[in-house]
Amino acid sequence: RKEVEQDPGPFNVPEGATVAFNCTYSNSASQSFFWYRQDCRKEPKLLMSVYSSGNEDGRFTAQLNRASQYISLLIRDSKLSDSATYLCVVGSSNTGKLIFGQGTTLQVKP
Amino acid sequence: EADIYQTPRYLVIGTGKKITLECSQTMGHDKMYWYQQDPGMELHLIHYSYGVNSTEKGDLSSESTVSRIRTEHFPLTLESARPSHTSQYLCASSHNRWDSGTDTQYFGPGTRLTVL
Repeated sequence: RKEVEQDPGPFNVPEGATVAFNCTYSNSASQSFFWYRQDCRKEPKLLMSVYSSGNEDGRFTAQLNRASQYISLLIRDSKLSDSATYLCVVGSSNTGKLIFGQGTTLQVKP
Repeated sequence: EADIYQTPRYLVIGTGKKITLECSQTMGHDKMYWYQQDPGMELHLIHYSYGVNSTEKGDLSSESTVSRIRTEHFPLTLESARPSHTSQYLCASSHNRWDSGTDTQYFGPGTRLTVL
C-alpha cells in the first residue's frame, strides 16, 4: 500500500464547476500536509498548506481529518487555468521528509 | 517564485558517459533534496541533505551520488549513464522549521535526462 494515495483521475469538468479531491495517508505520525500543483512537464509548486482547522485561499479550500487520515481539496468556480495535476503531500516529523502522492489530474473544459 | 536553479534543463547523452546535474539555491535553505519523476508517476526521493557535509540516500535506490560542500549547491552525479536513468530529476530545498513539522519544499525547474 502506498503511503499517500490519490485517485489519479482524470477529472473532466466544465468551467464553473466545483470539484473535490481526496487523499489518504497511512502514517499516523504525519504532521505536515500540503497540496502542490504540477503542470505538464513542469516542477511542482505549492498550492497551499493544510491546517487542522481547515483553510481557504480564494476558490480553494483544504481540509484535514486526522482521525480518518485523509485530506481534501475543494476547487470552486473552476477555471480553464486550473487544469493541472494536484499532488497531495504529507510530511513526517520522524524523518523530516515529504511523501508525494501520484497526483490527481484535473481537466477543465470550456 | 523560488530562487532555485537547475542546469542543464535538458540533456541527451550516450550510454557510459559521466554526467553532473547542477542545483543551486539562493534562499539560504539548509535542506536540499533530489527527486526522480517518470511521466505520469509520483516523485521519488533519491537523495537529501540537511546541511553542509550531510548527505543521505532517499527512499528510491539510485546509482547516482551527491555532495554538499556549500549550502547553496547540491550537485548530483552519475558516473556511467544508462538508458534506465532516463527520467526527470527535480531538485528542491526547504528551511529547517523551529517546530517538529516539515517545511514547504521549493522546486527547481528540473532536468530532463535522456540516455541513448
